[in-house]
Amino acid sequence: SQTIHQWPATLVQPVGSPLSLECTVEGTSNPNLYWYRQAAGRGLQLLFYSVGIGQISSEVPQNLSASRPQDRQFILSSKKLLLSDSGFYLCAWGGGDTQYFGPGTRLTVL
Amino acid sequence: GQQVMQIPQYQHVQEGEDFTTYCNSSTTLSNIQWYKQRPGGHPVFLIQLVKSGEVKKQKRLTFQFGEAKKNSSLHITATQTTDVGTYFCATSGSGGYQKVTFGTGTKLQVIP
Repeated sequence: SQTIHQWPATLVQPVGSPLSLECTVEGTSNPNLYWYRQAAGRGLQLLFYSVGIGQISSEVPQNLSASRPQDRQFILSSKKLLLSDSGFYLCAWGGGDTQYFGPGTRLTVL
Repeated sequence: GQQVMQIPQYQHVQEGEDFTTYCNSSTTLSNIQWYKQRPGGHPVFLIQLVKSGEVKKQKRLTFQFGEAKKNSSLHITATQTTDVGTYFCATSGSGGYQKVTFGTGTKLQVIP
């Protein structure tokens, strides 16, 4: 069965610091991968998606970037965090029409 | 792109009461999915509907896809405290990239 891992689970970072969140998937090959952000009490905002290694599409322009260095690895980065980057970051892989989410990283920017 | 509106945004019910959340689109949808997110957790896929007028049941949960494939509903009979969470509808397009568009969600609170 497929498993999706995310780390860290929680993170507190100062404004202006860099960010790197990692997501890995097991049990499937060449998955579609996604990064979402969920602000407190809000819905899911799609940030990036990837259909293969090195292929990244951005949905919302902002100070975040994503990379896919390996088939089952998806990384979300920022060079300088903003207060508005706080939120719950969810990685997901697409199985057919559905999305399977990782446990998420709760990021607080102070 | 496709947009789905979800109502209500919040719902408080007494344990044992029924609950319904609605998902609406101005365009015809190829499918509708439902997810549940427990407080502090991540969204979990519940079900997908693809056929016009389709009705599916999971224990106390009943999912319905409208005849015109522009709306859907999730009905919970006799709510329990374990039903607490946010329910999202979502829809995906066709093609190799399955971009899933999520509704705004309905947050359900069950009062014991």
